[in-house]
Amino acid sequence: DTGVSQNPRHKITKRGQNVTFRCDPISEHNRLYWYRQTLGQGPEFLTYFQNEAQLEKSRLLSDRFSAERPKGSFSTLEIQRTEQGDSAMYLCASSLVMRTSASYEQYFGPGTRLTVT
Amino acid sequence: EDQVTQSPEALRLQEGESSSLNCSYTVSGLRGLFWYRQDPGKGPEFLFTLYSAGEEKEKERLKATLTKKESFLHITAPKPEDSATYLCAVQRTNTGNQFYFGTGTSLTVIP
Repeated sequence: DTGVSQNPRHKITKRGQNVTFRCDPISEHNRLYWYRQTLGQGPEFLTYFQNEAQLEKSRLLSDRFSAERPKGSFSTLEIQRTEQGDSAMYLCASSLVMRTSASYEQYFGPGTRLTVT
Repeated sequence: EDQVTQSPEALRLQEGESSSLNCSYTVSGLRGLFWYRQDPGKGPEFLFTLYSAGEEKEKERLKATLTKKESFLHITAPKPEDSATYLCAVQRTNTGNQFYFGTGTSLTVIP
């Protein structure tokens, strides 16, 4: 069963450092999403890709955050000059949505837990 | 303003004691309502999608229903392995594809 995978699972970094996370979606899925989740809260949308095009970004995605999906397969999320407030679980999800599709469910990976000290 | 509210925040049940979780929503144009289960330290696991009022979906001890203002997740004769946080999310018709999540209900089933 090749679900959504994310690496690393845990990352501890010092304030001011840059970090990069990777997400590998379910292979045939054309849409890929990034969410952030803090303790006791539901996931909050950050951005999403349709194939390699980044189509939507949340106001939560400051200039320090950048995401790419260069070949429409895996995606990376980079945070520059990390701050303590960036500590959270970063979740990736994927879905297959076609013009004739009637289902929009998203399948999530296990997440990357970021701790900024 | 769009809102997704889940209640209760936490629920403790004895094994076999049936109950319901609530997800009320205020969104302009609902494309779908989604239920997920999340275990500690893991990503959300998809359970159900509901698209229109009156729709119902079932899976083992879980049954999800949808009205124009809220959704219920009914848990029949729960077992300890049903302990998790249950999240609901809505997708609007006019904002692309992002999900708006509630804060979840933390369910504990005591043996």
